[in-house]
Amino acid sequence: SQTIHQWPATLVQPVGSPLSLECTVEGTSNPNLYWYRQAAGRGLQLLFYSIGIDQISSEVPQNLSASRPQDRQFILSSKKLLLSDSGFYLCAWSVRTDTQYFGPGTRLTVL
Amino acid sequence: DQQVKQNSPSLSVQEGRISILNCDYTNSMFDYFLWYKKYPAEGPTFLISISSIKDKNEDGRFTVFLNKSAKHLSLHIVPSQPGDSAVYFCAASPPGGGNNRKLIWGLGTSLAVNP
Repeated sequence: SQTIHQWPATLVQPVGSPLSLECTVEGTSNPNLYWYRQAAGRGLQLLFYSIGIDQISSEVPQNLSASRPQDRQFILSSKKLLLSDSGFYLCAWSVRTDTQYFGPGTRLTVL
Repeated sequence: DQQVKQNSPSLSVQEGRISILNCDYTNSMFDYFLWYKKYPAEGPTFLISISSIKDKNEDGRFTVFLNKSAKHLSLHIVPSQPGDSAVYFCAASPPGGGNNRKLIWGLGTSLAVNP
């Protein structure tokens, strides 16, 4: 069966510091991968999606970036965090269907 | 411009009664719809989906109804249980096909089932 992992579970970072969140999927090949952010009390905002290694599409302009160095690994990064980057970050995968399956999420607090 | 709208931010229901969560969409070309359930500090969990060629899909206590002419779908939970208390997201799949399938999300409805 397929599983998706995200780490860390929680993160507190100062403004201006770098960020690296990692997501890995097991039990499937060639998944579509997605990064979402949920700000406090808001809906799900799609940040990036990827249909393959090194194939990344950005949905919103921001100081975040994503990379997919391996088929089942998706990384969300920032060189300098802003206060507005605080939120709950979710990774998701899908294969050949519209149904997306989500990881447990990372709670990021920027102080 | 919100293409998928969940106009009720919250809903409160008594245990054992029916919960009805509503979702409206603007693009008549959407061809697949999904409902997700989300607990605080967890990732959303897929609940149930429906293709635009159907008007009803049922899975245990959960039933989704699709009214294409009204561009409206609803999720019925019968009977409601306290463990159903969560935020429910409606999502739609835009037309176009291909491998890069994105979903268009509503803002969610917070359901509280009271014992």
